[in-house]
Amino acid sequence: KAGVTQTPRYLIKTRGQQVTLSCSPISGHRSVSWYQQTPGQGLQFLFEYFSETQRNKGNFPGRFSGRQFSNSRSEMNVSTLELGDSALYLCASSLAGSPYHYEQYFGPGTRLTVT
Amino acid sequence: GNSVTQMEGPVTLSEEAFLTINCTYTATGYPSLFWYVQYPGEGLQLLLKATKADDKGSNKGFEATYRKETTSFHLEKGSVQVSDSAVYFCALSDRDDKIIFGKGTRLHILP
Repeated sequence: KAGVTQTPRYLIKTRGQQVTLSCSPISGHRSVSWYQQTPGQGLQFLFEYFSETQRNKGNFPGRFSGRQFSNSRSEMNVSTLELGDSALYLCASSLAGSPYHYEQYFGPGTRLTVT
Repeated sequence: GNSVTQMEGPVTLSEEAFLTINCTYTATGYPSLFWYVQYPGEGLQLLLKATKADDKGSNKGFEATYRKETTSFHLEKGSVQVSDSAVYFCALSDRDDKIIFGKGTRLHILP
C-alpha cells in the first residue's frame, strides 16, 4: 500500500507570494491533517479535513487555508507569504476523522523556504 | 488548555545503554497518549500509544506506561542501537480530536 505522498518536496518562494501544497493520503483514508514544523515552535496543528469538510482548526491566521477533494486528496494554501512561514509542512492521513482513536500516517513533508 | 512537556535534547548515549525520555502532560479530560519518531528526512511514524490509565504501549523494544497519577508517559528502551538515532515526539489527543505534540527530543546513539 502506498504511503502518504506530498508534493512538492521542496519549495522556495519570496515574501508576498502565495503557495499551494498537495497531499495524497493512503488509499481508503478519509481524514487529512496538516501540521507546521519549525525549530522554534515545534509541531503545530493547522487543520483537519474529513469527507471534504474542515473538522478542526488550529490557531493560525486566515492566510492559511485548505481544502479536500472527493478523492480525499488535500491541498493547503498560504497567501501573502511571510518569512516566518518558512517551515516543514507535514500532512497526515488516517482511516477516520479521529486521532483520538485512529493512528495517523505522516508524509515526508514539504520544505518551504520564504526569502 | 492541553499541553505536552518533554525533556530537552539532544540526548547522547552509547550503543546498548538504557534510554529514558521524560514526558508529562496537562489535559482536562482523559487523553490518548502517543510517542512518534522522526528519522532524518522523513515524516513522523507512530512508535507506540496508550489510550487509558495504566496501559503500556510497546513497539520495537520501546515501552511507555500511561501514568495518570503523575500525568506522565515516559519512553524507555533497555538497550539502544545506532539505528534508534532520531527525534522523538510525545503527543496527546483528547476528545476534541486535535493532536498536541511536545517539542521533540533529539537522540544520538554512538557506536
